[in-house]
Order: sequence, then C-alpha cells, then structure tokens
Amino acid sequence: QVQLQESGPGLVKPSETLSLTCTVSGGSVSSGSYYWSWIRQPPGKGLEWIGYIYYSGSTNYNPSLKSRVTISVDTSKNQFSLKLSSVTAADTAVYYCARDRIYGDSIDAFDIWGQGTMVTVSS
Amino acid sequence: DIQMTQSPSSLSASVGDRVTITCRASQSISSYLNWYQQKPGKAPKLLIYAASSLQSGVPSRFSGSGSGTDFTLTISSLQPEDFATYYCQQSYSTPPCFGPGTKVDIK
Repeated sequence: QVQLQESGPGLVKPSETLSLTCTVSGGSVSSGSYYWSWIRQPPGKGLEWIGYIYYSGSTNYNPSLKSRVTISVDTSKNQFSLKLSSVTAADTAVYYCARDRIYGDSIDAFDIWGQGTMVTVSS
Repeated sequence: DIQMTQSPSSLSASVGDRVTITCRASQSISSYLNWYQQKPGKAPKLLIYAASSLQSGVPSRFSGSGSGTDFTLTISSLQPEDFATYYCQQSYSTPPCFGPGTKVDIK
C-alpha cells in the first residue's frame, strides 16, 4: 500500500529556511489522480494546509504563506519537498505530507498521510 | 477564505453512545466536506469524503450528512478506539481549511 515518509531537520534557526522531503513508496508521484500536499499542526492546535504540487509541477499555496513557500517534485526519486523561508517560532509545528486524492467531480480529500515530523524553530 | 466552525469543542461519552458532531461553513460549500479522526501523536485519518461517502476501510458506524453550510458526523455506537479528535475540512475552495476540532473523550 502507499506510504508517505517525511524527513528533514528537526531544529531550524529563526530567519533560516525549513526544508523537508516526503518520500512516496508503494505508489508514484507521477500519477495524475493525486495532488501532493504539505499540512502542518502547531503543538496543541489545529491543522493548516500549506500547499500542494501536481506531478506536472503546477503548484497551489495557502495565501497566508505563499510569499515564503516553495513546493517541488522529483519524479525520478518519487519525492516531493517543502521549503519555508524566513521562519519564526510561529512556524514550530508537526509537518505532515499527504496525498490529496481526486475522487472526481472536483471532489478531493487527504486520504493518505505521513506520520509527521516535528520541526522546532529556535536559536 | 471560508471559515469552518465545529460544535461542541469537546464532549464526554460512554462506549455504546450515539455521538453527533456538527460542522458549519461560513458560506455554502455544497457537499465539499471531509471528516478526519486524529489520535494523540498520530496523523489524521480520513473517515468521510464528499459529506457522506465512507472512506474504504472505515467502519460503518461512522456516517456523515449535510450540504450547503451545515454538516454532521455521527458515530452510531461509540467504541473504545473512537476516542479521538475529529476535524471537518472544506475542499470547495483554496485554501482548503479545517475546523478547530472536536475532542471526544471517555465519560
């Protein structure tokens, strides 16, 4: 079955760039039936969608983060990645990668999630 | 952006109880509403998509209903493994956003 696994540093200094990678196994990021998303959850708080990428490279970002976010895909490695620049303590969160399945008629939902990785922003 | 609210924010229930959680959108989202379950330290799990469609592998005691702005998630007979936080999420427009969550704990 399809599995997603996040990887990257657990500690990032303020003003630096947070970089995470999601490796997809048991399936392909090149499938046209899915978007590939990043979602985060600050400790004890709710879920915030960061953005997604399609296998073609087209992206869509949350306007609240758009100026600082870049999501890319590497189909040869079956991975997609997140970069968040100029981080502050407010970016401390568990970061999840997730598959956004397109069911049809513009219906979609996050049907498979990685286990999540905690990223702390601190000097 | 569309805002999502949920009620109650928390509830206490017993095994076997029927539980209903409500989600409301700030504008009509047709049936573009999904429900997730999250247990402590775990990633969310998709339960219901498109307001009422049961995700494969999810027990039939979970059901969803509603359209427009008002939606409900119902657990017909609460099981021990159902104690968790439940989130709704609209997929009608970007950014897709989640409700604040409803925590279901043991009475």
